[in-house]
Amino acid sequence: GESVGLHLPTLSVQEGDNSIINCAYSNSASDYFIWYKQESGKGPQFIIDIRSNMDKRQGQRVTVLLNKTVKHLSLQIAATQPGDSAVYFCAEHSGGYQKVTFGTGTKLQVIP
Amino acid sequence: DTAVSQTPKYLVTQMGNDKSIKCEQNLGHDTMYWYKQDSKKFLKIMFSYNNKELIINETVPNRFSPKSPDKAHLNLHINSLELGDSAVYFCASSQGHNQPQHFGDGTRLSIL
Repeated sequence: GESVGLHLPTLSVQEGDNSIINCAYSNSASDYFIWYKQESGKGPQFIIDIRSNMDKRQGQRVTVLLNKTVKHLSLQIAATQPGDSAVYFCAEHSGGYQKVTFGTGTKLQVIP
Repeated sequence: DTAVSQTPKYLVTQMGNDKSIKCEQNLGHDTMYWYKQDSKKFLKIMFSYNNKELIINETVPNRFSPKSPDKAHLNLHINSLELGDSAVYFCASSQGHNQPQHFGDGTRLSIL
């Protein structure tokens, strides 16, 4: 399944399926992007990052894609598991000493 | 071994009071941050400090005053609390800019 960020939508995915979470960022000068996962009652936790000189980066079960032309970032989670249920945020870094702007988040619900 | 710890975890107080939230990181990071997360999960940076010096102050009312006694600590003092200050406040740290941030588990502030 897919979702679009900017207001907290909910993405419901069947366990084992792939998830795609999207984020539209605001500043064309942003040069560093991070995806965070926030579980209930916890702080955001780093998942994966990508710099503006790349368009794809892979981690364990996660892939981040960056399209600078349309200022779009996506997080793909392979074989989604119940433990992936959380709110996911994209964050963009820009400016001389790093103004950090977070997206509005997407809630991922994994259906067992 | 908690990397970024904040105290207290919960803070319930009356309008008009003054309160402080403490943050400590044991990661040896140079940069620390304060964020505010509202009821809709929107996460907004308030302050950024690098080596005890203020770097970013994002149009936060001057009732909020951060203090960094050393680079491992960044405390947040709030004067004359208002109802709109109710939120979850997160402390974070990173090793310089353009690096992932490590977040504490938040302080839930409720104003009666």
